[in-house]
Amino acid sequence: TQLLEQSPQFLSIQEGENLTVYCNSSSVFSSLQWYRQEPGEGPVLLVTVVTGGEVKKLKRLTFQFGDARKDSSLHITAAQPGDTGLYLCAGGDYNNNDMRFGAGTRLTVKP
Amino acid sequence: DAGITQSPRHKVTETGTPVTLRCHQTENHRYMYWYRQDPGHGLRLIHYSYGVKDTDKGEVSDGYSVSRSKTEDFLLTLESATSSQTSVYFCAIGTGNQPQHFGDGTRLSIL
Repeated sequence: TQLLEQSPQFLSIQEGENLTVYCNSSSVFSSLQWYRQEPGEGPVLLVTVVTGGEVKKLKRLTFQFGDARKDSSLHITAAQPGDTGLYLCAGGDYNNNDMRFGAGTRLTVKP
Repeated sequence: DAGITQSPRHKVTETGTPVTLRCHQTENHRYMYWYRQDPGHGLRLIHYSYGVKDTDKGEVSDGYSVSRSKTEDFLLTLESATSSQTSVYFCAIGTGNQPQHFGDGTRLSIL
């Protein structure tokens, strides 16, 4: 069983601060995805990383896949209230169709 | 927004009754998925489909069945609902083991 642990579970910061959330596992993944989910809606895919050490940037969001493809981080620069939401990571194995999700980090950015 | 519609959006029913949730897509994706989301557990895969009449079990398939008679529709059935199946159910479409677009969910309460 591939288990993904996300930390912190909750994070509340002021607008303009930087933050990093983590997604860790003891398993190796073929790919790892990050999603953001807002209340009453389904998750929205932000990024997919597939190569160990890969770094992807999406405006103020920076995603990194660990060298060993067991962990990932999401860094947000100068957070804004619109970044508020539940951030989920999910790891997949190309040998099967079972992608496992972490429980998420709930981020609140206060104006 | 990706063309995924879930129905109903909310449902309250009693233990022991059958329940069917519907997912309809207009994107012609081959893969469709059903997940449930519960506090502390993240999203867990119930069943998925890789084509018409082609389905397979996910991590938490006990008590659920699915059917896919057309590319655009994927049905999830609880034959005899139990209180442990109270959850928010999400349908998704994607490729292989990577759900890329989610519906807005069905909130199901079983009393």
